[in-house]
Parts: sequence; C-alpha cells; structure tokens
Amino acid sequence: EDQVTQSPEALRLQEGESSSLNCSYTVSGLRGLFWYRQDPGKGPEFLFTLYSAGEEKEKERLKATLTKKESFLHITAPKPEDSATYLCAVETGNQFYFGTGTSLTVIP
Amino acid sequence: EAGVTQSPTHLIKTRGQQATLRCSPISGHTSVYWYQQALGLGLQFLLWYDEGEERNRGNFPPRFSGRQFPNYSSELNVNALELEDSALYLCASSVRQRYEQYFGPGTRLTVT
Repeated sequence: EDQVTQSPEALRLQEGESSSLNCSYTVSGLRGLFWYRQDPGKGPEFLFTLYSAGEEKEKERLKATLTKKESFLHITAPKPEDSATYLCAVETGNQFYFGTGTSLTVIP
Repeated sequence: EAGVTQSPTHLIKTRGQQATLRCSPISGHTSVYWYQQALGLGLQFLLWYDEGEERNRGNFPPRFSGRQFPNYSSELNVNALELEDSALYLCASSVRQRYEQYFGPGTRLTVT
C-alpha cells in the first residue's frame, strides 16, 4: 500500500536550534516529492519539489534532500516565524499522497 | 499575480443536503486538484481535473463529484451530506502534472 509517513509529529525547538524533519515513503513509481508549509486555518504553501535521489533544494533557512526512500527537511537556526506544520507529499502518476505533517514550534 | 481563490469561505449544511464549492485557479494553470482535510487527518486526494476532464479520483464515494469549466475554474459537489464530510476542502492548481501545486485558502464545510 502506498503511504507517506512523517516524523516527528511535533517538534519544539529553541530559536537558533537546528533540526531535521523526516518524510519516508513507500510508493511505486515516484514522480515527485513536495514539501509544503501550512499555517493554521490556511492552505498549504509550496516550498520545494524534488524529483530524484540525491537532489537538494534550499530556501532561506530550509534545505530539502531526497533519497530513494525518504526526504529530509533541514531547518537551520530557526526563528519563531518558522513555526508551522510542514507537510510532505508524493506524486505517483495520477495519485497524490500527503503525510499528516510535523507541527514545528520555535520558542523565542 | 492572483492566487487560487475559493468560495465560499465557510459553508454550513444539514445532513442529507448538497454542497457546492468553487475554485478559481491561478491564471495560466490548467490543472485543478481537490483535497479533503478533516480535523487531525492529513490531506486526502479527492479529484484531479485537467483541460476540462477528470483525470483521476481518490478513494471517495461517487457522491463526491465535480467538473472543470472552459475557463479552468472548477466546482466540487458533495451530495447526500454526512456528518463526517465536515472538513476543510482545499483546491490547488498547477501548470500541469508533475509541477508544484498552489493551494487556495480552503472552504470550511460544516455538516450538522
């Protein structure tokens, strides 16, 4: 069964304390892996697309990496405004699967 | 550039009624996707439209249906509403499959 699992479910960091979020997937025929940020009561905001193992993308304090079975979202020196739920999604041809997200709280 | 818009913002219906949700994609985007996000659950893929045709649907009953208009806007219809249909319904658009999806703010459907 195709599925996407994110860990941890929740993460509390002190401002400036770097960490990583994990997204593992078991799907057949991965075409793309996406990272989104979602603030409460809002639609997800696109962050990155990764297509092949070894690929990396960076944006400000965020860096996404991809292997054959998982992806990591690294957060370097986070700030309180980085607090949000981070969602991982995979595309397998005509189907789209989202993980349940990691809720990140950055404490000043 | 205007983002994806959805209407209404909130919708309250009673069990057994029908609900219609609307979505306007970003200009130039031809694909529209619908997702259900129930409280505490991840986004569940509902429907995908591209160039006016339904390309695929997720594991939802037939009472969830929709269509895409010639201007690429879309509507989602939910018939015979059930209490468990209460959720945030999100619409997203993309240039074409395999490109990132841009989401609207969602429609909060409450079934009483």
